[in-house]
Amino acid sequence: NAGVMQNPRHLVRRRGQEARLRCSPMKGHSHVYWYRQLPEEGLKFMVYLQKENIIDESGMPKERFSAEFPKEGPSILRIQQVVRGDSAAYFCASRDPPMETQYFGPGTRLLVL
Amino acid sequence: RKEVEQDPGPFNVPEGATVAFNCTYSNSASQSFFWYRQDCRKEPKLLMSVYSSGNEDGRFTAQLNRASQYISLLIRDSKLSDSATYLCVVAVRTGGFKTIFGAGTRLFVKA
Repeated sequence: NAGVMQNPRHLVRRRGQEARLRCSPMKGHSHVYWYRQLPEEGLKFMVYLQKENIIDESGMPKERFSAEFPKEGPSILRIQQVVRGDSAAYFCASRDPPMETQYFGPGTRLLVL
Repeated sequence: RKEVEQDPGPFNVPEGATVAFNCTYSNSASQSFFWYRQDCRKEPKLLMSVYSSGNEDGRFTAQLNRASQYISLLIRDSKLSDSATYLCVVAVRTGGFKTIFGAGTRLFVKA
């Protein structure tokens, strides 16, 4: 049973480019969370999605960031016009309600040059 | 005030020591509590859930005090492999299931 998968594991972008981060949840999991972790800091909640529905996006920056979890395929976190401050590790986690445990993917490390 | 606050680290302890981490949360509506462990440059992994009655898993014991909004994690007989960052996590049901992570406490266990 494969765990949560994220790709790419490392992503390098120049300022102004777009970054697309993908997350495939564990089999059977219908809820996905995205978190950002800056170096030497804790995890910050970004967005919580169910298939075809955003449940809570209170942690998402108002501009340039968007997320989706389509009926088919992985969840996508999209960052437009990246800036150096977007450099961070982005973790995805999935959950199978009513179970409460979240299982994390290995993360995508984004570096903006 | 942060929603979830943890002991500032790092904790430096010798092998075999007992170490305790504390965590407080501000939202009295919080319903579920967890300790996660994160190794350097790795993803967080669930260590244990925390129940009101307290729970133990081998060398690890977790306690919850709802009245004081306080969670603890006790590690007995520390091993070198326990070196990691320990994250206190609180979940609130607000139309969904929102989780808030503490900033983490770093533990170094030395031989």
